[in-house]
Amino acid sequence: DSGVTQTPKHLITATGQRVTLRCSPRSGDLSVYWYQQSLDQGLQFLIQYYNGEERAKGNILERFSAQQFPDLHSELNLSSLELGDSALYFCASSETGTSMNTGELFFGEGSRLTVL
Amino acid sequence: GQNIDQPTEMTATEGAIVQINCTYQTSGFNGLFWYQQHAGEAPTFLSYNVLDGLEEKGRFSSFLSRSKGYSYLLLKELQMKDSASYLCAVRRNTGFQKLVFGTGTRLLVSP
Repeated sequence: DSGVTQTPKHLITATGQRVTLRCSPRSGDLSVYWYQQSLDQGLQFLIQYYNGEERAKGNILERFSAQQFPDLHSELNLSSLELGDSALYFCASSETGTSMNTGELFFGEGSRLTVL
Repeated sequence: GQNIDQPTEMTATEGAIVQINCTYQTSGFNGLFWYQQHAGEAPTFLSYNVLDGLEEKGRFSSFLSRSKGYSYLLLKELQMKDSASYLCAVRRNTGFQKLVFGTGTRLLVSP
């Protein structure tokens, strides 16, 4: 158990819909990262938050948005869903997200999104 | 940008030794990570290298050569449970860093 909690574990929805994925980082971790993993694809970095502020952005579509709340949990919002958005969405956390430590990422179990 | 290359798939026999290679191209290198991921599960941390050389951790070892942009993960005394994907990831020294992952190497261990 990494200490990172993601909900829901599974989600099935239709094209055009909107969903929200939730992540609670490990206790004390200030940085949260979102990754997308499609079938047989590598982990694609989407976005990073540190202590409530956006710090880095990757290949995140405009239909997707995220935020980190004062209690450090984060939500990833996916809207106008398309079939190609079906994937595993992982949240990870780390202590500070800076170069001052190893910066090992601890991953949650993921949210499997299926768009029909 | 960053380019990270790993073989797509490897096979090995239980009890054997396997080496999974990773090459990368990046500026501002600040660490290379190896993660293990079983199908449909979360990636779990295996090792971290930031200086050249070998880091040993039980049956797993990881090597880094920064000048060559090269790392390998060495798995000894393979067990069936080692069948998984092994992900190489690079971190850059840009302040608040993320990890950029390669596509992973799927290792199949047979009896």
